[in-house]
Amino acid sequence: KQEVTQIPAALSVPEGENLVLNCSFTDSAIYNLQWFRQDPGKGLTSLLLIQSSQREQTSGRLNASLDKSSGRSTLYIAASQPGDSATYLCAVVRDDKIIFGKGTRLHILP
Amino acid sequence: EAQVTQNPRYLITVTGKKLTVTCSQNMNHEYMSWYRQDPGLGLRQIYYSMNVEVTDKGDVPEGYKVSRKEKRNFPLILESPSPNQTSLYFCASSDGGGSYNEQFFGPGTRLTVL
Repeated sequence: KQEVTQIPAALSVPEGENLVLNCSFTDSAIYNLQWFRQDPGKGLTSLLLIQSSQREQTSGRLNASLDKSSGRSTLYIAASQPGDSATYLCAVVRDDKIIFGKGTRLHILP
Repeated sequence: EAQVTQNPRYLITVTGKKLTVTCSQNMNHEYMSWYRQDPGLGLRQIYYSMNVEVTDKGDVPEGYKVSRKEKRNFPLILESPSPNQTSLYFCASSDGGGSYNEQFFGPGTRLTVL
């Protein structure tokens, strides 16, 4: 059964730093992997989608990589800002089912 | 505006009283899905639908029903709610071949079952 793990569960960093969030999954036979952002009490906002044939995707200050063989994805956030504070979730897709990690709660210190 | 809408946003009910949470999308998406989010357990998929009249179970389908009579709507039905179904519920949709594309989420429905 596919399991998705995100480490660390929580992270605090000073504003301006670059940071990396990690996502690992146990079954490498995935169709795609998606990173989301969730603000407290809100829904999920899609950040980046990486298809299984791709290695990385970039959007602004965000870069997500995918290494299927090792079952890992990273989300790199450059020049962090207080507005980046949120919970970041990764999700993997296979056989039309979607499995989420429990998220990393990120706090950017002003 | 392209969006997924859910109603109601907040609901307090009592054990055993049937309820329906509606979900609607205006993007002509084929794939729709329901999730529940609980502290410490994260987001878990309840049911999903590949297209009209096609539904399938996710990881936690017990106690829930769904229907997909129209492409835009995917209601979640709790025939006899119990306190362990108190949770934050999200509906999502995506375009194209099943769940392979970007997922768009609704704002969530916070359900409390007393």
